[in-house]
Amino acid sequence: GAVVSQHPSWVICKSGTSVKIECRSLDFQATTMFWYRQFPKQSLMLMATSNEGSKATYEQGVEKDKFLINHASLTLSTLTVTSAHPEDSSFYICSATRGGRGRNTEAFFGQGTRLTVV
Amino acid sequence: GENVEQHPSTLSVQEGDSAVIKCTYSDSASNYFPWYKQELGKGPQLIIDIRSNVGEKKDQRIAVTLNKTAKHFSLHITETQPEDSAVYFCAASLRGSGNTGKLIFGQGTTLQVKP
Repeated sequence: GAVVSQHPSWVICKSGTSVKIECRSLDFQATTMFWYRQFPKQSLMLMATSNEGSKATYEQGVEKDKFLINHASLTLSTLTVTSAHPEDSSFYICSATRGGRGRNTEAFFGQGTRLTVV
Repeated sequence: GENVEQHPSTLSVQEGDSAVIKCTYSDSASNYFPWYKQELGKGPQLIIDIRSNVGEKKDQRIAVTLNKTAKHFSLHITETQPEDSAVYFCAASLRGSGNTGKLIFGQGTTLQVKP
């Protein structure tokens, strides 16, 4: 199967700083990438849909100015958590689909990034 | 929008027994239903999926059934093994031209297989 890699796997940052998480599709071109966050023992909550070369589409309740998403190439999307606070501590996971937009392709997930804000 | 409900939240079975996890979805337009296995501290891994044009799909010990009329689908794991212990998520999606294909997840089921 296709490989999606996230970096870093974990990060600890101070409150008020910004953190960037990268999501790369290693062996395929990902027209669409998705960002999720997951709190302990809870499900994955979709934050935003990222299409290469266009602005991300955010889900209701997700602050676009706080969670900056950039999808500058077909193999890389980044999520920047700006002015992080302890309540932003969570497990962030990206996924990517290959092929054209919305086609019947499976989603491949990264290994996740554990963010801890102290 | 789509809403996915998953039951049970926890499931404990004896090794060798079968496990069944059920999900219902709200949007009749959804046409793609994957199941993911997530181990602690890792991202979800696809274990099986089914599209709306079929009612059942099987892959070795894992099978998925879909009832479009009732809008529910189920995961069946037979001959369970301790390594099957993990959190399982169902999801629903609308795939096709003009749609993003975003996945809406169920709440998850923690499966424990006792040796």
